[in-house]
Amino acid sequence: DGGITQSPKYLFRKEGQNVTLSCEQNLNHDAMYWYRQDPGQGLRLIYYSQIVNDFQKGDIAEGYSVSREKKESFPLTVTSAQKNPTAFYLCASRPGQGGHHEQYFGPGTRLTVT
Amino acid sequence: AQRVTQPEKLLSVFKGAPVELKCNYSYSGSPELFWYVQYSRQRLQLLLRHISRESIKGFTADLNKGETSFHLKKPFAQEEDSAMYYCAPRLDQGAQKLVFGQGTRLTINP
Repeated sequence: DGGITQSPKYLFRKEGQNVTLSCEQNLNHDAMYWYRQDPGQGLRLIYYSQIVNDFQKGDIAEGYSVSREKKESFPLTVTSAQKNPTAFYLCASRPGQGGHHEQYFGPGTRLTVT
Repeated sequence: AQRVTQPEKLLSVFKGAPVELKCNYSYSGSPELFWYVQYSRQRLQLLLRHISRESIKGFTADLNKGETSFHLKKPFAQEEDSAMYYCAPRLDQGAQKLVFGQGTRLTINP
């Protein structure tokens, strides 16, 4: 294990609060991704970033925000505007060079909002 | 529009029996295809990719462009194969992202 870390493993928040999930990688990968995983819906892409200081919306970006100030870090903020934030969140990265498109995943953060 | 479909949410087979997890995609070009697996209490990891034409843990997957399918197969299932499996193609030539199917939970019964 190692390479991509997400913290914390479990996170609890009250409704109406913003919360930031951490994702760090020491693989020197260029691209990073955020997904949410819900039962029966697979993985849905929230945001992704190909290089530092650049990111694009995925399929379900509403209510989320990201930043990519450093190559190794891609934090995700779940805002109070996200209508259904309770989910399992996965971060991934990939080299971005040489045509390699497989992604490497972190262990995930389970967020519960009550 | 649904671009990748795994029709079975749940699949249960007995140990030693053949197993096939189906994946169909919508794309007229040549996709790059992956299967990912998530074992209990482990992180999601790459199982195999079609360009390698390799067999990993006894699993193989053949790209059928005519049927736009990339089914995952294993001739003799083992109990340790029980896991969640995701088909994940890269559907557009310029795309820098994968599209994940809904996943199939495979259970191998002893």
